[in-house]
Amino acid sequence: QLQESGPGLVKPSETLFLTCTVSGGSIRSSNYYWVWIRQTPTNGLEWIGSIYYTGTAYYTPSLKSRVTMSVDTSKNQFFLRLNSVTAADTAHYYCGRRHSSTWAQFDLWGQGSLVIVSS
Amino acid sequence: DIQMTQSPSSLSASVGDRVTVTCRASQDVSTLLHWYQHKPGKAPKLIIYAASRLQSGVPSRFTASGSGTEFALTISNLQPDDFATYFCQQSFDVPPTFGRGTKLEIK
Repeated sequence: QLQESGPGLVKPSETLFLTCTVSGGSIRSSNYYWVWIRQTPTNGLEWIGSIYYTGTAYYTPSLKSRVTMSVDTSKNQFFLRLNSVTAADTAHYYCGRRHSSTWAQFDLWGQGSLVIVSS
Repeated sequence: DIQMTQSPSSLSASVGDRVTVTCRASQDVSTLLHWYQHKPGKAPKLIIYAASRLQSGVPSRFTASGSGTEFALTISNLQPDDFATYFCQQSFDVPPTFGRGTKLEIK
């Protein structure tokens, strides 16, 4: 299971920080990458980035300058940091798991965390 | 980025019906195409991966086909639990991209 946690309200220009807790398995598995995806009414579902348990991360180009993902294997958690947020970053944020096979499907998702950017 | 276009955007059907949702990619994605089911407030659920492979635990009334740029998801003998939003996603290229979804509603 995956469970997102973090503040539901963030002020414009501040930093959004979300945690995803992995339960029922180890984040150190070589079979998976760990991902963040968001959903907005405007853009639909958008992949933000993926991270391996070693800390190697890949980000979508449009957010790359503002995004940092990290992992804490001792706590079986991974994290999303998004800087300088605006109203356009208001979204449901999902953490997920991407299989490392050729197919690269997202085979497990959290139920999502709504983050509103507003003063 | 590869654009994924789903149709229809919404669909009304009755229990027992058979429905088909289509997904078109803006370029060839081979069979790196996956389908998900999403209900409000719940985690999205993988139902089909690699264009036609049924995810473990998913009922066999879900079938899918396609390759290249044209894909289809068919649900036979609709059950009450099947009414949800379905979206496709390609993993052929980075960034992975998603369709806008098809909302399946009870008629």
